[in-house]
Amino acid sequence: AQTVTQSQPEMSVQEAETVTLSCTYDTSESDYYLFWYKQPPSRQMILVIRQEAYKQQNATENRFSVNFQKAAKSFSLKISDSQLGDAAMYFCAYRSGSGGSNYKLTFGKGTLLTVNP
Amino acid sequence: DTGVSQDPRHKITKRGQNVTFRCDPISEHNRLYWYRQTLGQGPEFLTYFQNEAQLEKSRLLSDRFSAERPKGSFSTLEIQRTEQGDSAMYLCASRGQGYGYTFGSGTRLTVV
Repeated sequence: AQTVTQSQPEMSVQEAETVTLSCTYDTSESDYYLFWYKQPPSRQMILVIRQEAYKQQNATENRFSVNFQKAAKSFSLKISDSQLGDAAMYFCAYRSGSGGSNYKLTFGKGTLLTVNP
Repeated sequence: DTGVSQDPRHKITKRGQNVTFRCDPISEHNRLYWYRQTLGQGPEFLTYFQNEAQLEKSRLLSDRFSAERPKGSFSTLEIQRTEQGDSAMYLCASRGQGYGYTFGSGTRLTVV
């Protein structure tokens, strides 16, 4: 079974600064997808960024980028120019590329990000 | 379409009572997932529907839990004889043909 580990229960960052959230995962599969989701107090999970394992290039979405190290099974999220609205719980998630998995997501425990003005 | 709707938003129930939650997915999404999220944890998979067929159930889904998706539209999750350990947020997500999941805002259950 796949597992996702987020070793930082809480992180804080000053507004406009950069912060990196860590995630490691364990899998024996070669075809999979990795995601970062944001869960604000409104509780709805919002997709931040996604990475396909077969792509060597790290994904980027505006101020959000990932450092995907496939051999090390590491998938960190970098948030640049942090904004107050970035404050939320961040979850790293894994999804198998195999249809037999029904494409369900496996989540880490989350990292609570605080942004200080 | 306004996304995935879940009802109720909050539910407080006494131990031993039955509760039912509803999820209305995005209309064109044929895949629907239920997850449970307890305090300090990430969401954990409970069950998966493709159209009206329940194709996978987690071992977390004890025999007190039942889920349905009649006609492949909305879904319900029922918990019978609730226990304090059932207190959690229950999240619903739907997915169409692509890789994207749309989550609802969840139903927070408190068993007293």
